[in-house]
This record gives sequence, structure tokens and C-alpha cells, in this order.
Amino acid sequence: DAGVTQSPTHLIKTRGQHVTLRCSPISGHKSVSWYQQVLGQGPQFIFQYYEKEERGRGNFPDRFSARQFPNYSSELNVNALLLGDSALYLCASSPRTSGRSDTQYFGPGTRLTVL
Amino acid sequence: DQQVKQNSPSLSVQEGRISILNCDYTNSMFDYFLWYKKYPAEGPTFLISISSIKDKNEDGRFTVFLNKSAKHLSLHIVPSQPGDSAVYFCAAQPTGTASKLTFGTGTRLQVTL
Repeated sequence: DAGVTQSPTHLIKTRGQHVTLRCSPISGHKSVSWYQQVLGQGPQFIFQYYEKEERGRGNFPDRFSARQFPNYSSELNVNALLLGDSALYLCASSPRTSGRSDTQYFGPGTRLTVL
Repeated sequence: DQQVKQNSPSLSVQEGRISILNCDYTNSMFDYFLWYKKYPAEGPTFLISISSIKDKNEDGRFTVFLNKSAKHLSLHIVPSQPGDSAVYFCAAQPTGTASKLTFGTGTRLQVTL
């Protein structure tokens, strides 16, 4: 079975531009979460979506938004890009949104560079 | 405020010996803990997890120990292999949610020949 897939792999943008990152979860998984990882740090939680609804949000500005589609795939959008948005953006999927022992599985990530 | 801490940025271990990676947390609401392994330019790969109702979980060469009173967990790898060389992240999940993992800053493990 295919794992979590993300596109594109790499992306270079300039300050002020907008970017859309895409994620397809593992088949059968209904929950998708987004994380940002900057160099030297652990991933930081941005959003969680389940059944097309936002179920959790991390400490990120409103420039960050996301949505989930009926097929459970997801997009992360970032507006008005700043140099500090340069990071590896990770998508993770899990079967459900609540309960114990629900492991998240990560995709390979999208490397975003803002110049 | 770093709620999950991995105080050792790096660790070097000889092949065949035991690797012990440590993690401390401060939030009492965390009740599910995971270890992920990450190679450069790849996403984190799930290794092993433990629920707060247990104090030990084993999977092959990997064992995770949880000491709730000390808010401490550790990952033991025995025997260590060169392919284990990677960055290891400890992550914690709060009660009632299956997402919103809080990660530590990682420990880079190098297994030498």
C-alpha cells in the first residue's frame, strides 16, 4: 500500500508570494495533519483535519490555512510568504481523530525555500 | 516553553552495543508517546509507541520505557546497527486527541563500525 504522498517535493518562492502544498493520506485514513519543521528543530503542529473539518490548530498566523477534500486529501496554503516560512512541510495521516494509540504516519515532506 | 525535551543533541555508539536515547516531558496531559526516526530529506518514520498505561513496550531491537512519575521516557536499541544512524525524535500526544503531536528537538545517533 502507498504511504502518505506529498507534492511538490521542492519549491522555491519569493517573499510575498502564495504557495499551495498537497497531501494524499494513506488509503483508509481520514485524518490529515500538517507540521512545519525548520532546521535543527522538531516538527511543529500547524493543523489537523478530519472529515473535512478543522479539528486542531497550532500557533501559526492566519496566513496559514488548509482544507480537506471528500477523498481525504488535503492542501496547505500559505499567503504573503516570509523568509521565515522556509522549512520542510510535513503531512501526516492517521485513521481517526481521537482516542489512544492512533499513530500518525508521515509523508516525505515538501521543502519550501523563500527568497 | 519546550514541553518535550531531548537534551542530548547527538550520540555515538559502536555497532553491536546498546543505544539509549532519552526524552523528558513537562505536560501531564500527555498520555501517548512515540519515537520517530528521520533520515535527511525524508519524513519521520514511525518506530515504536507507548501508552501511559504501560511502562514498557518492545518491538524487535527497539524497546521504549516510560517513567510517568519522572515524566521521562527512553528508547533502547539493541544491538545497534550502522543503518540505525539517523535523527530520532520523541513525540507526545495529549489525552483525547490523535493528532497535535509535540516533538522534541531530536537526537542524532551515529552508529560506528
